[in-house]
Amino acid sequence: SAVISQKPSRDICQRGTSLTIQCQVDSQVTMMFWYRQQPGQSLTLIATANQGSEATYESGFVIDKFPISRPNLTFSTLTVSNMSPEDSSIYLCSVGFRNTLGEKLFFGSGTQLSVL
Amino acid sequence: AQTVTQSQPEMSVQEAETVTLSCTYDTSESDYYLFWYKQPPSRQMILVIRQEAYKQQNATENRFSVNFQKAAKSFSLKISDSQLGDAAMYFCAYRSYSKIIFGKGTRLHILP
Repeated sequence: SAVISQKPSRDICQRGTSLTIQCQVDSQVTMMFWYRQQPGQSLTLIATANQGSEATYESGFVIDKFPISRPNLTFSTLTVSNMSPEDSSIYLCSVGFRNTLGEKLFFGSGTQLSVL
Repeated sequence: AQTVTQSQPEMSVQEAETVTLSCTYDTSESDYYLFWYKQPPSRQMILVIRQEAYKQQNATENRFSVNFQKAAKSFSLKISDSQLGDAAMYFCAYRSYSKIIFGKGTRLHILP
């Protein structure tokens, strides 16, 4: 299993500013994932972050808006840049472990972002 | 493209009764996993149960079991002896090497 510490848990930000969300895992993982969950909606994958390489972004998400860092195998950050009220969402990170017993995805507790 | 469909936006069940949440998916991949996650108001995503596509046997975790029909691309979740603590949003998820996709969710209400 994995314990994921995500912070901040919530923030209220002004339009035009940026917020960096941190995700710390208690064990080394190859891939970390970042999601957005808009109010009352499902989770949408923003990007996959591999250590030592550029993040892979899903359709509709770009690096300039959501830059991601992955400096080592236990840590990643997601920045929401030049925020607008439409960016108000919950942002979650997750990691996947795959072994002979199968795969599990573990999630951080999420960051609730409100943009005024 | 892969898709995950949960056709029941909301469901209600009497405490101690059994309820089934439906999920269908579409994929052309052969190696994948399916999951059910529970999200209570705390926002924490909690893994309920998972199923490997190559396994024919349906997964079971205590009061939770799945009916995995690979040919029909169906992956329903059965909750037996429903408890008040089961009230939450439930998401069906598909995971392959290249994709992670979540359904829109089913909000489950437990009636005392």
